[in-house]
Amino acid sequence: DAGVTQSPTHLIKTRGQQVTLRCSPKSGHDTVSWYQQALGQGPQFIFQYYEEEERQRGNFPDRFSGHQFPNYSSELNVNALLLGDSALYLCASSPLGGAASYEQYFGPGTRLTVT
Amino acid sequence: QQQVKQSPQSLIVQKGGIPIINCAYENTAFDYFPWYQQFPGKGPALLIAIRPDVSEKKEGRFTISFNKSAKQFSLHIMDSQPGDSATYFCAASIRGNTPLVFGKGTRLSVIA
Repeated sequence: DAGVTQSPTHLIKTRGQQVTLRCSPKSGHDTVSWYQQALGQGPQFIFQYYEEEERQRGNFPDRFSGHQFPNYSSELNVNALLLGDSALYLCASSPLGGAASYEQYFGPGTRLTVT
Repeated sequence: QQQVKQSPQSLIVQKGGIPIINCAYENTAFDYFPWYQQFPGKGPALLIAIRPDVSEKKEGRFTISFNKSAKQFSLHIMDSQPGDSATYFCAASIRGNTPLVFGKGTRLSVIA
């Protein structure tokens, strides 16, 4: 049973560029959440997707956008990159409904460096 | 405003010791409190979680103690091993599939 997978593993971009990160949820999970983890900090919630729609959003600017596909995989897009966007971007998946919906399982993350 | 405060920031214990990591929360609507373990370069891994209807939960060497009136919960690691050296995060959320709010993490080092 494959867990949450993310690609790419590492990425280096220049200020002002755009980036797309990808996530495949754990088998049986239909909800995907994205988090940003700065060095030495806990993850911060960006947004959550279910049924191909953004359901909840954290305190992140509109430069951060996403998408969910019919197979439940998801993309995170960041436009006009800033140096401060350098972080580990984590995808977490969970099933909708029931007690198990509380459990969120994280992927290995994508390390984004903006120069 | 940080909704989950975690302490200590770092912790060093001898092998076999019992490290204790504490978290305090502010929002009384939180009803799910998980702990995650993260190794360098990896994503957080769900260790153990508790709901406020119980005061303690054990899974293997990991125990969560929960004090609803004090709005505090803690993680105890029994018979700690060097392989437990990692960063531990407490978190909280309201109902299912809502955003997790994380503490700032505790870097644990278990020395032989």
